[in-house]
Amino acid sequence: DTAVSQTPKYLVTQMGNDKSIKCEQNLGHDTMYWYKQDSKKFLKIMFSYNNKELIINETVPNRFSPKSPDKAHLNLHINSLELGDSAVYFCASSVRADSYEQYFGPGTRLTVT
Amino acid sequence: SQQGEEDPQALSIQEGENATMNCSYKTSINNLQWYRQNSGRGLVHLILIRSNEREKHSGRLRVTLDTSKKSSSLLITASRAADTASYFCATGTGANNLFFGTGTRLTVIP
Repeated sequence: DTAVSQTPKYLVTQMGNDKSIKCEQNLGHDTMYWYKQDSKKFLKIMFSYNNKELIINETVPNRFSPKSPDKAHLNLHINSLELGDSAVYFCASSVRADSYEQYFGPGTRLTVT
Repeated sequence: SQQGEEDPQALSIQEGENATMNCSYKTSINNLQWYRQNSGRGLVHLILIRSNEREKHSGRLRVTLDTSKKSSSLLITASRAADTASYFCATGTGANNLFFGTGTRLTVIP
């Protein structure tokens, strides 16, 4: 019973390409998040969505765009990929926007060559 | 920055021993959380302690919070090989602005 799932698990692509990472949660949560974890294991929030509305965006380049077709899905689209985008991207969800406990997906390791 | 900082960066102990890791932060918080990350996996929430609490227990986990020192500790008692993972503290003033540190890598040797 996967709670938060992401696809793909691994993604290798070349600079300049456009790619998407999908995330789905079957927990019925209202809020979903995207995090980036760099090579030093530093985890930084990128976006959160509450009922399909973007509620924060932490100084992320506009090449990154979250797309939420419904409250169970929050996909991450990245345009014009750069070497520095290489990282592990985690999707997470929480019951509500004011809930503190977050449930994480398994992560997507993105490698840009 | 507001992010938590865990200490030590790495810890290696024998199975059965206790493991203690610490987290320091810089700004006022509403609560502090601890998460575990197994290699190649997502983070799993372990425990949340509110700013008006000083100590909290959950199974073999014991968390303390000292808001005057802006620090927290996570104690894992009677460690097991399965406890091998990275442990992160997360701080913030609200659910949407959680800040994670870079974690403590715990290795429990069977």
